[in-house]
Amino acid sequence: GEDVEQSLFLSVREGDSSVINCTYTDSSSTYLYWYKQEPGAGLQLLTYIFSNMDMKQDQRLTVLLNKKDKHLSLRIADTQTGDSAIYFCAELWNAGNMLTFGGGTRLMVKP
Amino acid sequence: ETGVTQTPRHLVMGMTNKKSLKCEQHLGHNAMYWYKQSAKKPLELMFVYSLEERVENNSVPSRFSPECPNSSHLFLHLHTLQPEDSALYLCASSQEYGTGELFFGEGSRLTVL
Repeated sequence: GEDVEQSLFLSVREGDSSVINCTYTDSSSTYLYWYKQEPGAGLQLLTYIFSNMDMKQDQRLTVLLNKKDKHLSLRIADTQTGDSAIYFCAELWNAGNMLTFGGGTRLMVKP
Repeated sequence: ETGVTQTPRHLVMGMTNKKSLKCEQHLGHNAMYWYKQSAKKPLELMFVYSLEERVENNSVPSRFSPECPNSSHLFLHLHTLQPEDSALYLCASSQEYGTGELFFGEGSRLTVL
């Protein structure tokens, strides 16, 4: 698979917006995903974007995709303490038909 | 509740023990996966089964042995493990092989003494 990279940690205040960033290397990716992992739990699919889209909005979540720079971001509006979790981006790369995950970004939301 | 159930949730074993992890999915999916999650590495795909046939085996040591008796059940048999095998083992399923929409269980936390 190809490399998917994320920053390790992000801290925000409750009510602020959070932006979690991800870079990937496989230009043939078809879909890109955001997963959330709460403490003591498995991963949960939050949202995904098809590679020919620039933006997707789903309630408080906005996904932005810059294919030229191979950069994906997840914006969480009005961040709540319940949003504290690890967020993983992942790409589905066409050649291998498999999902490659980034290392995860731990989001801490302070009251 | 994701529809994917893993047992046991926690397991402590010695290096000479034999144990098994179990995964069951109630979603009618055709593909099932084992991932390893440790502090040092991102999620590592170990095995993939599609329609009960193994389609991926990512250079996993032979001390890990998967079994998929039917499309709803997946096992990971453990034998002569090393302390570095201590990790969270996650099972997942998807409607078909090759999709990125995975449904994960809560994981089995394994500690090897």
